[in-house]
Amino acid sequence: AQSVTQLDSQVPVFEEAPVELRCNYSSSVSVYLFWYVQYPNQGLQLLLKYLSGSTLVKGINGFEAEFNKSQTSFHLRKPSVHISDTAEYFCAVSENNAGNMLTFGGGTRLMVKP
Amino acid sequence: DAGVIQSPRHEVTEMGQEVTLRCKPISGHNSLFWYRQTMMRGLELLIYFNNNVPIDDSGMPEDRFSAKMPNASFSTLKIQPSEPRDSAVYFCASSLSGSSSYNEQFFGPGTRLTVL
Repeated sequence: AQSVTQLDSQVPVFEEAPVELRCNYSSSVSVYLFWYVQYPNQGLQLLLKYLSGSTLVKGINGFEAEFNKSQTSFHLRKPSVHISDTAEYFCAVSENNAGNMLTFGGGTRLMVKP
Repeated sequence: DAGVIQSPRHEVTEMGQEVTLRCKPISGHNSLFWYRQTMMRGLELLIYFNNNVPIDDSGMPEDRFSAKMPNASFSTLKIQPSEPRDSAVYFCASSLSGSSSYNEQFFGPGTRLTVL
């Protein structure tokens, strides 16, 4: 079975600074990888996904992530964050024979300070 | 498109009472997922339906929990009897599942359940 580890439960950062949210996964088969964002009192919204092809994936709101198969990682990055990026970010994995089922990491709370 | 609709948005009940959470998936989607989110355990998949049939319910905590999908446009998650440890945010998500690749899950706004 697959699992997802988000190493940082909270990441404080100043506005306009770069940020990286870390995600590592384990699986015995090929996987699809995702980042979701959850704003306060809302559901989850897809930021970006890796299914195949280029390992650098660009998403909404200026976020990008890089799939590294050898390190089993899918870290999320943004070169310059805004106050509005304050939210909870979830990394998720789906084994590509698992019928769209997702396994989520524990989440990382990004706190952008002015 | 209205997106995934969940009701109620908030539910406060007393221990021992029956609770029913409702979900309307996006029209045309054929897969439906129920998740539970708590501080201690994060986001957990409870049950997954495909074409109204339960495919994987291994995440359902115990017999007090049951889920149904009587048709393609409606699903319920029932807890009876409810306990304080069931307090959580319950999310419903839907997707259009095909024979290949992956299709995005769209999440509803969630139901915040508090059991006193």
